[in-house]
Amino acid sequence: GAVVSQHPSWVICKSGTSVKIECRSLDFQATTMFWYRQFPKQSLMLMATSNEGSKATYEQGVEKDKFLINHASLTLSTLTVTSAHPEDSSFYICSAILRDEQYFGPGTRLTVT
Amino acid sequence: KNQVEQSPQSLIILEGKNCTLQCNYTVSPFSNLRWYKQDTGRGPVSLTIMTFSENTKSNGRYTATLDADTKQSSLHITASQLSDSASYICVVSPFQGGYQKVTFGIGTKLQVIP
Repeated sequence: GAVVSQHPSWVICKSGTSVKIECRSLDFQATTMFWYRQFPKQSLMLMATSNEGSKATYEQGVEKDKFLINHASLTLSTLTVTSAHPEDSSFYICSAILRDEQYFGPGTRLTVT
Repeated sequence: KNQVEQSPQSLIILEGKNCTLQCNYTVSPFSNLRWYKQDTGRGPVSLTIMTFSENTKSNGRYTATLDADTKQSSLHITASQLSDSASYICVVSPFQGGYQKVTFGIGTKLQVIP
């Protein structure tokens, strides 16, 4: 199967700082990637769709100026959480599609103190 | 609003025993239904995928069933192992809307004990 990686796997940052999370498709190209957020005991919630070479599409209620997405190449999408607050602490997961199969990254645990 | 409900919320079973997890959905029409395994602190990994016309799909000790008429699916795990301890998520894709409209269940947290 295809492999999607994320970096870092966990990060702790202070309130008010910015954090960048990388999502890479290791053995295939992905024109579209998806960013999810998962709070404890809750389902994955789609935040945005990352499109290579164009602007990301954000879901209702997700602040595009706070969660900056850059899909600069066919194998890399980045999510930057700007001016992070404790309520942004969550598990962030990306995914990419290959042959109609959705492959998820291992996730990034963000803790904002 | 499309919904996916899973039961039970959590389950503890003895190693070697079988178990069945349930998924009820309201997504209609739907394209496919997937079961994922999510280890704690990890991303989901696909177990099975079924289209609306399929009734059952197996992957090793995992067998998924689908009843499109009643909008129910189940995941049966045979001869459970300690490594089966994880959350199992039911995911339903609508016929239209692409991956942006995929609906995830909250999952069933399974714990297999020796």
